[in-house]
Amino acid sequence: QSALTQEASVSGTVGQKVTLSCTGNGSNIGSYAVGWYQQISHGSPKTVMSGISPPSGVPDRFSGSKSGYTASLTISGLQPEDEADYYCSTWDSRLNALLFGGGTKLTVL
Amino acid sequence: QVQLQESGPGLVKPSETLSLTCTVSGGPISTYYWSWIRQPPGKGLEWVGYGHDSGRTNSNPSLKSRVTISVDTSKNQVSLKLNFVTAADTAVYYCAGRQAGSTYFDYWGLGTLVSVSS
Repeated sequence: QSALTQEASVSGTVGQKVTLSCTGNGSNIGSYAVGWYQQISHGSPKTVMSGISPPSGVPDRFSGSKSGYTASLTISGLQPEDEADYYCSTWDSRLNALLFGGGTKLTVL
Repeated sequence: QVQLQESGPGLVKPSETLSLTCTVSGGPISTYYWSWIRQPPGKGLEWVGYGHDSGRTNSNPSLKSRVTISVDTSKNQVSLKLNFVTAADTAVYYCAGRQAGSTYFDYWGLGTLVSVSS
């Protein structure tokens, strides 16, 4: 059981807006920036959000936010190529460890 | 463009030591923190630990006594040693880099599968 909680699965249709969430506590999400990683078909993870800023090259339909102990990744205008597993991650000062969420499987219908 | 390439044996016997190398190209190995992250078949990502050219290291509390991570700036390589492996250590092992003070990764390697079996 991960200390960062993500939805097991989320689905949406092409063009729809979907939001993935990542919930933690004050020693992790409440204190540090969150990274979001996209993994397509068990390939190498790709960083799609660094805190609330997307890295260069990531489509601008991806956006990030954080409120309290919950971070969110929003995809506005879902595309078929967005179908993937998405993981959130951040540091935890109490555990002195980097944590990953359990991952969300995003299905594009 | 920084590229990371993991390498090492694909098969390790139980109780032996898993040894992997991450070669960093296209950028300096210094200033970045280099992590090892693993993913057992069909499961999620797990942080193994990180190393820095200053000698600073840290590792997952669940693995700490078995993990050694080092950075060789002369070879632009990051190494991982995991002692006393069991079948539970079977996973794809990724190398990833983040800037100092950052809590997210800028660079990822392609990963290498390590199976633990006799």
